[in-house]
Amino acid sequence: AAGVIQSPRHLIKEKRETATLKCYPIPRHDTVYWYQQGPGQDPQFLISFYEKMQSDKGSIPDRFSAQQFSDYHSELNMSSLELGDSALYFCASSGRGLLDEQYFGPGTRLTVT
Amino acid sequence: AQKVTQAQTEISVVEKEDVTLDCVYETRDTTYYLFWYKQPPSGELVFLIRRNSFDEQNEISGRYSWNFQKSTSSFNFTITASQVVDSAVYFCALNPGAAGNKLTFGGGTRVLVKP
Repeated sequence: AAGVIQSPRHLIKEKRETATLKCYPIPRHDTVYWYQQGPGQDPQFLISFYEKMQSDKGSIPDRFSAQQFSDYHSELNMSSLELGDSALYFCASSGRGLLDEQYFGPGTRLTVT
Repeated sequence: AQKVTQAQTEISVVEKEDVTLDCVYETRDTTYYLFWYKQPPSGELVFLIRRNSFDEQNEISGRYSWNFQKSTSSFNFTITASQVVDSAVYFCALNPGAAGNKLTFGGGTRVLVKP
């Protein structure tokens, strides 16, 4: 079965640079979630989109923005990167049901040097 | 606000021993969902189980079993006859139901199964 696709899988950036992470949900899933997992930490919810509209917002820095496109894929844009942004970024998708379980992608490991 | 607590940070067992992971949650919602995810060393998050707040029936699936006690706000997870491949970090998570679909994770419990 098709799973959530994230690209790139690994990314190395320098401080103050920008990064764009992409997420392709499972086919027919219309909701996308972004989570950030710092080293040794649990995943923290950043933001979610349902039918291309922002549906919920968590502890996402103002330097980050995200959107969901007409084909339901989503992009997380990160600017003015800081060392503390180094983390594993997960995208998850779920179906139309309000409480459908979220299926996670493999994650993008971002390293800021 | 929601909160999930996994008091055990790390558990080390020898292969074939049983392992029970504790999870305690806090929520004001009457309808909510609880999850367990597994994160192996490769890093991906693997969905294991979902339970809703109205279903306290415990379940066994292969070597995995779950004990949901609404009265104590606990959702514990047991691996029977552990194997080396069970070595991973296990996260308990809460979905607040009508308040939104974002997951609140516990801090995770690292399970190390030694041969």
